[in-house]
Amino acid sequence: EVQLWESGGDFTHPGGSLRLSCEASGFRFTDYTMSWVRQAPGTGLEWVSVISGSGTTTYYLASVKGRFTISRDSQKNTLYLQMNSLRAEDTAIYYCVTVLNGYFESWGQGTLVTVSS
Amino acid sequence: DIVLTQSPGTLSLSPGERATLSCRASQSVSTNYLAWYQQKPGQAPRLLIHGASSRATGTPDRFSGSGSGTDFTLTISRLEPEDFAVYYCQQFGNGNSPRYGFGQGTKLEIK
Repeated sequence: EVQLWESGGDFTHPGGSLRLSCEASGFRFTDYTMSWVRQAPGTGLEWVSVISGSGTTTYYLASVKGRFTISRDSQKNTLYLQMNSLRAEDTAIYYCVTVLNGYFESWGQGTLVTVSS
Repeated sequence: DIVLTQSPGTLSLSPGERATLSCRASQSVSTNYLAWYQQKPGQAPRLLIHGASSRATGTPDRFSGSGSGTDFTLTISRLEPEDFAVYYCQQFGNGNSPRYGFGQGTKLEIK
């Protein structure tokens, strides 16, 4: 059974930094493209970033490019999202998801990031 | 970027009724890359349908997806109490860089 456990969400002020982690189990981690999808309070879903199984290819939502960095550690079966220069509009639940053929197959429970002055 | 517009915003129905949810794209979407998700309050979204019409593992057969081009539909044949939730459509575009976009959601509520 695929399991994804996010952690690292917290409260921070604008301009602050956080690193989210997602521990994966139940599947061969390196076989899967992984992504982060976020959901601001009371709103819909927004894709944030994606990384290939090998970790060599990454893409970002335009509004986070240059501020967020996605990475993965195959030894630890863990996905990361380093978030710098955080803004109020980055406030959201961040979900770790597996990606298959362009859709989001398995989802973690999410971790809440709150950015406020 | 392709914009997905879901309608209606809210759908009020009773258990046992049929639900029809619409997802319209601003440009043609490959049927391979259209998916539907269900989200209940306080929970993560769950994949229901991928490839426009293929049920994900564990999706009951009362859920069906259809459509092509710019118009896609999620149909729930007979609503069960556990089906009342928010539903999102999602598309993938694999041009120069990948694009993943979601519709704004349809809330299916008990009438």
